Amino acid sequence: NAGVMQNPRHLVRRRGQEARLRCSPMKGHSHVYWYRQLPEEGLKFMVYLQKENIIDESGMPKERFSAEFPKEGPSILRIQQVVRGDSAAYFCASSPRGDSYEQYFGPGTRLTVT
Amino acid sequence: GDSVTQMEGPVTLSEEAFLTINCTYTATGYPSLFWYVQYPGEGLQLLLKATKADDKGSNKGFEATYRKETTSFHLEKGSVQVSDSAVYFCALSNFGNEKLTFGTGTRLTIIP
Repeated sequence: NAGVMQNPRHLVRRRGQEARLRCSPMKGHSHVYWYRQLPEEGLKFMVYLQKENIIDESGMPKERFSAEFPKEGPSILRIQQVVRGDSAAYFCASSPRGDSYEQYFGPGTRLTVT
Repeated sequence: GDSVTQMEGPVTLSEEAFLTINCTYTATGYPSLFWYVQYPGEGLQLLLKATKADDKGSNKGFEATYRKETTSFHLEKGSVQVSDSAVYFCALSNFGNEKLTFGTGTRLTIIP
């Protein structure tokens, strides 16, 4: 059973461009969480989604960031008009249910904004 | 709000040494506590967990006990191996809340 997959693993964008980060949950998992790790900081929760629904986006910046988890295909974290402060590692986790006891993490996408 | 404070790294130990990585938390109510480990180039893996006071989580020789009186969940291992080299994250989740709150991580290096 393949684990949580994220791509790309590394992404370089110039300021003002858009970044799209993809997360394919484990088979049978319908809950996805996104976390961000800024340099020298711990992982910070961003958003929690179920298929076609955003359940909790309390950790998402109000502007430029959006997330979706369509009925078919991966979850997408989209960052518009990136700035240098968006440079970070973005981790996705999936769960078979909305339960923090069983969150399985992907390897992360490292975004660098130049 | 909830927060987790863990021992700053990096920590370097010789093989077979005793390991302690300190973790304390601030939370309302009765959180569940976790240790995650991240090996180079990989995602975070759940190492162990404890869901109520005085519970002891254990896995792969690692242990941590949920101490409500000191709001701590220190990670210990009696004899570390080179293969334990990784980054260790302490985390909590609070009742009815699916999101995890993490500490900043502690990088552990074991030298032969």
